[in-house]
Parts: sequence; C-alpha cells; structure tokens
Amino acid sequence: EDKVVQSPLSLVVHEGDTVTLNCSYEVTNFRSLLWYKQEKKAPTFLFMLTSSGIEKKSGRLSSILDKKELFSILNITATQTGDSAIYLCAVNSGGSNYKLTFGKGTLLTVNP
Amino acid sequence: NAGVTQTPKFQVLKTGQSMTLQCAQDMNHEYMSWYRQDPGMGLRLIHYSVGAGITDQGEVPNGYNVSRSTTEDFPLRLLSAAPSQTSVYFCASRTGRETQYFGPGTRLLVL
Repeated sequence: EDKVVQSPLSLVVHEGDTVTLNCSYEVTNFRSLLWYKQEKKAPTFLFMLTSSGIEKKSGRLSSILDKKELFSILNITATQTGDSAIYLCAVNSGGSNYKLTFGKGTLLTVNP
Repeated sequence: NAGVTQTPKFQVLKTGQSMTLQCAQDMNHEYMSWYRQDPGMGLRLIHYSVGAGITDQGEVPNGYNVSRSTTEDFPLRLLSAAPSQTSVYFCASRTGRETQYFGPGTRLLVL
C-alpha cells in the first residue's frame, strides 16, 4: 500500500522565521511528488518534482527531492502571516492508472 | 476556462438520503478524481477515472458510486448517506504530466 508521511503535523512560528516541512514516501512506480498549499478552500499547486537533487524555487519557497532516501522538503524563508496554511504533499505512483496519494498535511501558523 | 466546477457548495442531508455531487471540467482532461478531506486525515481518494467509461476505486470507495459517461463530467453519488460521510469533498482533474487542478469543494453535513 502506498504511503506518504508528512512531518511535523503542525508548526507555529513567528514572522521572519525559516521553516522546513518534510515529506517521506513509500510507493510503487514513483512518477512525481507534488506540493500544494491549502488555505480556506481548495489546494493550490506549488511544485512538482520528478528528479533528485534539482531544487525548484518560487519566491521564498523552494523544494527538493531525494529519490534515494525517498523524501522531499519544502522550505519557506522569511515567513509571512500569509504563509499560514496547510501544506500537502502528494505522490503520483503512476503505472497504467493515475493515482495520487496524499499525506495528512502540515498545518503552518505564522504569528506576527 | 471555468476550470473544475463543483455543485452544490454546501449540502445538508438526513441519514439514509441519497444525493449526487456534481463535478465538471472544461479543460479536456482525461483524469478525474474525487477526494474527501477530514480533519487530521489529509485528502483521501474515493474514486478516480482515467477516461470516459473507465472508473476505479480509490482508498475509501464504500458508500459511493461514480460514472464517467463524458470527458467533462464525473458525478459522485451517495447511495444512502451516513453521518460518517460528513466531510468536504473535492473533485480534481489533470492530463498527462500536468499538475492536478482542484474544484472549490462541496461541504456535506449528514445528520
């Protein structure tokens, strides 16, 4: 059975702090790993990672994948209150049928 | 493009009632999925479809039916609602190597 584990489950920081969110996985036929941000409504896409060691970056957010150790991290530098959200990690385990397995998410709270 | 649309936004049902959650996408995506999201449980896959006429079960399919008669539509049917089905339901679609797009969600309360 495919498994995606995120840690920590929740995190409280102050504005300006840097945070690292973790995602480890055990899946068959790995194809890609995706990060989403969820505020009050539907998840919105952040990154898709397919290759080890190549950092994806968007503003203060960055992410990297390690396919040997089966994990990914999402970094947020100089956090702002608008970064408060649930961050979801999902793994596409592909094969002949499409399937995304989600972790339980990390609830990030950024206090002013 | 409207993207992925879901109706209704909110629904209250009594135990034993049936209903259909609607999902439509106008991006010509082959893959469509239904998830439910409960506190502390993340997103769990209910059913998914890889094309018109093809559906398969996800992680938590019991109590739900789906069909995919067209590329655009992927309705989720609750056969006999139970309080355990109180949740937020998200429909999603994607194609090829693109990311997955989520609908705005349907909040369901079963009394």
